[in-house]
Amino acid sequence: DAGVIQSPRHEVTEMGQEVTLRCKPISGHNSLFWYRQTMMRGLELLIYFNNNVPIDDSGMPEDRFSAKMPNASFSTLKIQPSEPRDSAVYFCASRHTPGLAGGPTKNIQYFGAGTRLSVL
Amino acid sequence: RKEVEQDPGPFNVPEGATVAFNCTYSNSASQSFFWYRQDCRKEPKLLMSVYSSGNEDGRFTAQLNRASQYISLLIRDSKLSDSATYLCVVNQGGSQGNLIFGKGTKLSVKP
Repeated sequence: DAGVIQSPRHEVTEMGQEVTLRCKPISGHNSLFWYRQTMMRGLELLIYFNNNVPIDDSGMPEDRFSAKMPNASFSTLKIQPSEPRDSAVYFCASRHTPGLAGGPTKNIQYFGAGTRLSVL
Repeated sequence: RKEVEQDPGPFNVPEGATVAFNCTYSNSASQSFFWYRQDCRKEPKLLMSVYSSGNEDGRFTAQLNRASQYISLLIRDSKLSDSATYLCVVNQGGSQGNLIFGKGTKLSVKP
């Protein structure tokens, strides 16, 4: 299994530009999470999807951030316009979540390698 | 009060030392607990789950005290390769819940 795949690994852009981060979850996983990590705030959940549907986006900092999951194997996180304070490492993670009928799970999330974003 | 709190460290220890990390969580309804490990400029990876009865995996021992809302990780006979940041993680919502991450405790093992 290739694991969670994120692209690009590094992104350097200028303030005001649009940034799009991409994620391919592990095949068979039905939950996907976007996190942001900074020294000051640690690892923060931005948004997560179950079965391609956004469940909780309360962590999205403001309207400049948006996320989509058009199908089970792809998600994007977009920042428009970007600002220097958006500079951080953005991680995508995926998990197999059992349905409402239950099922075994250890609620283990598997992370991608992250995208290191620098907004100048 | 932060949801998951850890001593940021750094903990600087010699090879072979025993080191313990502590973590407290604020939500008494939290249901499952984990330690993740994050190497410098890498992604977090699951180290071990934490069970109520305590559990051990080789040189690593994790314990949970629900009454005190306290989690610990003990590393015995530390190796240079144990140098990393250790993240305390709490699940608040059952099998479909979110994980709340502590900021991590940095460990540096010196020769």
